[in-house]
Amino acid sequence: QVQLVQSGTEVKKPGASVRVSCKASGYTFSANYIHWVRQAPGQGLEWMGWIDPDSGNTNYARKFQVRVIMTRDTSITTAFMELSSLRSDDTAVYYCTRAGGDFYWGQGTLVTVSS
Amino acid sequence: NFLLTQPHSVSESPRKTVTISCTRSSGVFVNNYVQWFQQRPGSVPVTIIFENDQRPSGVPDRFSGSIDSSSTSASLTISGLRSEDEADYFCHSYDYNHEGVFGGGTKLTVL
Repeated sequence: QVQLVQSGTEVKKPGASVRVSCKASGYTFSANYIHWVRQAPGQGLEWMGWIDPDSGNTNYARKFQVRVIMTRDTSITTAFMELSSLRSDDTAVYYCTRAGGDFYWGQGTLVTVSS
Repeated sequence: NFLLTQPHSVSESPRKTVTISCTRSSGVFVNNYVQWFQQRPGSVPVTIIFENDQRPSGVPDRFSGSIDSSSTSASLTISGLRSEDEADYFCHSYDYNHEGVFGGGTKLTVL
């Protein structure tokens, strides 16, 4: 079965960077885009961007373009999302989701930004 | 880019039918599928509709999705409401640049 397993909780200071991983299994990793979505406490879902695991091509939301980098390592079927220059309002649960037909979601990674 | 507007909240009684709308601020949904996600408190979102009207396996047929004739509004209809349907529901689509857009979410209360 399709599974997306994300890395664990992170606590960062303002100005730092965070890297979240998303290990995919149960399907052909290169066949489906991976999207990253975040949810601040008590808020809705916010789309951050996607990566095509086949080509490595990316498409970022304009809001995050200067601060986010999405990569993948096909040898370990894992996608990564790195967000830099963290601020307190980046505190959120970050999800990876496999697009294309039925969307499968990772379990989420809580990132807390606090001094 | 465009916005997707959903009602902030809806409520209905058990066994009744409720419809949640998702309206584009500009453009049409043609060539850009709509998805619906259900999120119960403290849980990961779950896909209940993809590609406008398709249900993942395991999602009951009480859930249905549609696009209106003008392709500017999508709807999620839940029939035979149950207490476990109480959740937040988010619509999602793409713009012409294939950038994702989420609606603000609708809180469904089953009275």
